[in-house]
Amino acid sequence: GENVEQHPSTLSVQEGDSAVIKCTYSDSASNYFPWYKQELGKRPQLIIDIRSNVGEKKDQRIAVTLNKTAKHFSLHITETQPEDSAVYFCAADSGGYQKVTFGIGTKLQVIP
Amino acid sequence: DAGVIQSPRHEVTEMGQEVTLRCKPISGHNSLFWYRQTMMRGLELLIYFNNNVPIDDSGMPEDRFSAKMPNASFSTLKIQPSEPRDSAVYFCASRSGPGANEQFFGPGTRLTVL
Repeated sequence: GENVEQHPSTLSVQEGDSAVIKCTYSDSASNYFPWYKQELGKRPQLIIDIRSNVGEKKDQRIAVTLNKTAKHFSLHITETQPEDSAVYFCAADSGGYQKVTFGIGTKLQVIP
Repeated sequence: DAGVIQSPRHEVTEMGQEVTLRCKPISGHNSLFWYRQTMMRGLELLIYFNNNVPIDDSGMPEDRFSAKMPNASFSTLKIQPSEPRDSAVYFCASRSGPGANEQFFGPGTRLTVL
């Protein structure tokens, strides 16, 4: 089955700096890679996703890159703000009737 | 649409009691997932359904856990008997079909077993 590894597990950055979270996956059949943000006491919510036919996708201050050959993908947050503080989960999905596999999560703290 | 609905939002029970968690997926979604979240183990997939049929229950921790989806708009996760180590937040999520798409999570049920 699919195995998703995520690191770092915790990350502290100063407000305004950039944050990068990295994930690797094992199943070459995976073709959809969503990122979820979970604020304290709230539910995980999708913030950005990328499909395997695309190498990079950007939405304002957040971007995701995908390297299919190396089987890794990353989340980049620029100009971080205190409201970016949350736990971020990456996931890998091969579609069909396969389950989605989540990473362990990264707790991001943005220090004002 | 109200999104994924879960009930109860909080449950406190004593060890040995039966616990039933409920979920109503988004209308039209035909994939439903049950997750358990703890500090130690993160977000764990317990079981998921497609078109009301359980596809993979390999994440169900033991026989004390069971899940049903009698129709497209309702699912339950039951723990009998409950134990203190079952204390966690349980999330239900739904997705529109078996394709690779966003999952929409419910608000979760915070379970405390004393």
